Parts: sequence; structure tokens; C-alpha cells
Amino acid sequence: GAVVSQHPSRVICKSGTSVKIECRSLDFQATTMFWYRQFPKKSLMLMATSNEGSKATYEQGVEKDKFLINHASLTLSTLTVTSAHPEDSSFYICSARRTALGTQYFGPGTRLLVL
Amino acid sequence: DAKTTQPNSMESNEEEPVHLPCNHSTISGTDYIHWYRQLPSQGPEYVIHGLTSNVNNRMASLAIAEDRKSSTLILHRATLRDAAVYYCILSRGGSQGNLIFGKGTKLSVKP
Repeated sequence: GAVVSQHPSRVICKSGTSVKIECRSLDFQATTMFWYRQFPKKSLMLMATSNEGSKATYEQGVEKDKFLINHASLTLSTLTVTSAHPEDSSFYICSARRTALGTQYFGPGTRLLVL
Repeated sequence: DAKTTQPNSMESNEEEPVHLPCNHSTISGTDYIHWYRQLPSQGPEYVIHGLTSNVNNRMASLAIAEDRKSSTLILHRATLRDAAVYYCILSRGGSQGNLIFGKGTKLSVKP
């Protein structure tokens, strides 16, 4: 199956700093990537949809100025959590859609802890 | 997006078949039925998807009711590695649109 990677897998940062998370599709080109957030014992919540070369579409309630998404190439999307606060601590997961088949493949997730 | 209803949890014995149900009574004609599973501290893994006909792949089978208002994911022989949260999701159109995850079913497999 298709492979999606995320980096870093785990990050700890101080409150007020910014953190960048990378999502890469390793063996296919993805015109669309998705970012999700998952709190402990909860389901995944879609944050935004990212299309290569255009602005991301954010779900209701997700602050676009706080969660900056860049999808500059067909294999890379980045999520930057700006001025992170402890309540932003969560498991962030990306997925990439393999255009030809339409199935979404998920990355392994990035665990963010803001102190 | 159309909503799905799944039991919160199910238990199975190792090497026995498992039938995971999903109700989607408000499904529309163009909604695909997708199943993903998520192991602890990992991203979701694609399992199977279908539209109207039953589907089989190396991981599982998907049985879709004739009226499409329910479906069942079938694991033919459960292993300990199949213990996970299984999500049944509907998406619009011919290819996957946004996936809206519900709470899923937590499957436990006993040796």
C-alpha cells in the first residue's frame, strides 16, 4: 500500500513557541492532503483539507492563523502550530489521497506536548 | 455528511470470525462506505471500501445490505493484531471526499 510519513513523531515544546510538522507521501503524488487532530480516547477530528498549490480549507472552529498549512509540492504538506499553548497538546495525523484510486492513506501521527 | 452508528465495543476470540456492524440509514446514493482501523498511538489504516456490492480483499470482507442502510465488516479469522478501533465512514462522490470519523468500535481479541 501507499506510504505516508510524518516528522517528527514526537515533539515537546514550550508554551508560546511554534512547531512545524511535516507530512510526506513517499511513493505517490498526492494532490490533496488532510490534517486531523485526536485527543486522548477521542476520535479523529478533521482540521483542514490541503490542495497542492492552493490555500487550505479549514473546518469550522479551526483557527487558520494558528494552524498554518502549506502544501507546496505533490509530496509534502506542513502544519505549523503557531504560539502553541498546552491546550494544543494532541496527536496530529495527516493523510494523503492517492488521486487515481481515491483512497486516503494516513501517516503514523505526531504527538505534540506543549509545556 | 451522513452519520454512521457502531457499537462502542466488541469482543472476539482469536482465530474466530468477527462481524462488525455499522448502520447508516441516511446514506445517499453516491455515498461510499469505508472502513478504517486504528491501533493505539498510530494513524488509521485503510481496510476496505465499497458502494453497493460486497467486497473482498486480503484484510477483510465488506457485506453491504441491499438497501445500503447497513453494512458489516467481516474479519474471517481474528488475530491478536486485529485488536483496534474500527471506524465505519461514509464519503460523498466517486472518490473519497473528506472522511468524518465517528467513535468507532473498539475490538478486543482474546487468546
